[in-house]
Amino acid sequence: AQKITQTQPGMFVQEKEAVTLDCTYDTSDQSYGLFWYKQPSSGEMIFLIYQGSYDEQNATEGRYSLNFQKARKSANLVISASQLGDSAMYFCAMRERTAGGTSYGKLTFGQGTILTVHP
Amino acid sequence: DADVTQTPRNRITKTGKRIMLECSQTKGHDRMYWYRQDPGLGLRLIYYSFDVKDINKGEISDGYSVSRQAQAKFSLSLESAIPNQTALYFCATSDPGTGGLETQYFGPGTRLLVL
Repeated sequence: AQKITQTQPGMFVQEKEAVTLDCTYDTSDQSYGLFWYKQPSSGEMIFLIYQGSYDEQNATEGRYSLNFQKARKSANLVISASQLGDSAMYFCAMRERTAGGTSYGKLTFGQGTILTVHP
Repeated sequence: DADVTQTPRNRITKTGKRIMLECSQTKGHDRMYWYRQDPGLGLRLIYYSFDVKDINKGEISDGYSVSRQAQAKFSLSLESAIPNQTALYFCATSDPGTGGLETQYFGPGTRLLVL
């Protein structure tokens, strides 16, 4: 079974509008972390935002916010006031602890969503 | 200067050749990782290392080997390259001391083409 599922291969948004990129995850661990990364056409991976499973508040970083719904196992990224420079591939990723309780720091990535911002 | 660097940035090689991809970091992190990215598959973990003496296989380690020469250096080798190893390769680092966050910081990537 997929650990991280991003069901939107591609999304389009008008400049200055908000957009939501979907991410659902599968884990039996109680302690885990969810990450979003941006990959522009140049190829580098840029960390955007993090949500811990025990965090009570949804994470926010500037124009990025994470809509965390733990019971539904979803961690959607919301980008407000889209800019042309937001056009990129976006990856959702999850870090789990092992059964022994040691955090290994390994990330499991989804397949990504390509976001295109239109002027 | 970039905190995580990878060399080379682009490489074309032939089937059967041995090649090495190098990663260096100035972040002082103990943990380092190698991933490959294929279109439509996201990133997949090849190897990871929690310190100089600790190296572990990831989900797709066959055909690859690694060497952790120092805290700051982690190299990935393809002993006998094959065309399906054509991919974008990323090195990453993280610091377990940051608690639950432990963000991974990625290098710029190496584009490898195996003919």
